[in-house]
Amino acid sequence: QKEVEQDPGPLSVPEGAIVSLNCTYSNSAFQYFMWYRQYSRKGPELLMYTYSSGNKEDGRFTAQVDKSSKYISLFIRDSQPSDSATYLCAMSTSGTYKYIFGTGTRLKVLA
Amino acid sequence: GAGVSQSPRYKVAKRGQDVALRCDPISGHVSLFWYQQALGQGPEFLTYFQNEAQLDKSGLPSDRFFAERPEGSVSTLKIQRTQQEDSAVYLCASSFAQGLNTEAFFGQGTRLTVV
Repeated sequence: QKEVEQDPGPLSVPEGAIVSLNCTYSNSAFQYFMWYRQYSRKGPELLMYTYSSGNKEDGRFTAQVDKSSKYISLFIRDSQPSDSATYLCAMSTSGTYKYIFGTGTRLKVLA
Repeated sequence: GAGVSQSPRYKVAKRGQDVALRCDPISGHVSLFWYQQALGQGPEFLTYFQNEAQLDKSGLPSDRFFAERPEGSVSTLKIQRTQQEDSAVYLCASSFAQGLNTEAFFGQGTRLTVV
């Protein structure tokens, strides 16, 4: 079993929909949680960076961390075709520099 | 430049050939990371530098892989005697602080194809 599990998709939604992307993890020591967006043939772009549990909002994006369930989510409101990309979750433990990534979820927002 | 720059963007190597991949981190960034991303997978950690010091190379898959950052800025990842399983995208990332739990910014990667 991988430390971080993420459904690879693809996930197809109509323009304007609310998108929910999720990751589960097994290592209870993870304290830092990141979401990256990766367009085809591009490098990952940092979207959200959160510490421990709770919510963080940035524009149309909301990140949620539920450490008791070992579950993190990224919500995208009013999704746009330009949001079509692969979304990667990443995590790390305190006092380290290694990120452990999920496999990524491919999202398609249909116009 | 404003972001992490990697070159070349694409590299085709014959099996057994040596390759060198270059990373120019964001100016002033202390920490530099190399990750390997296989097709359809998330990036996997290879190695970490704090300035010129290579503090962790535990992710390097074999002794054919070697990384350096001699002056604490530009880094080179070298792969000797390339094999087909080395085909992947090699991503470089940098962060301002000393690596612990800091936000890392990635370059566009070098796509290596070994034929």
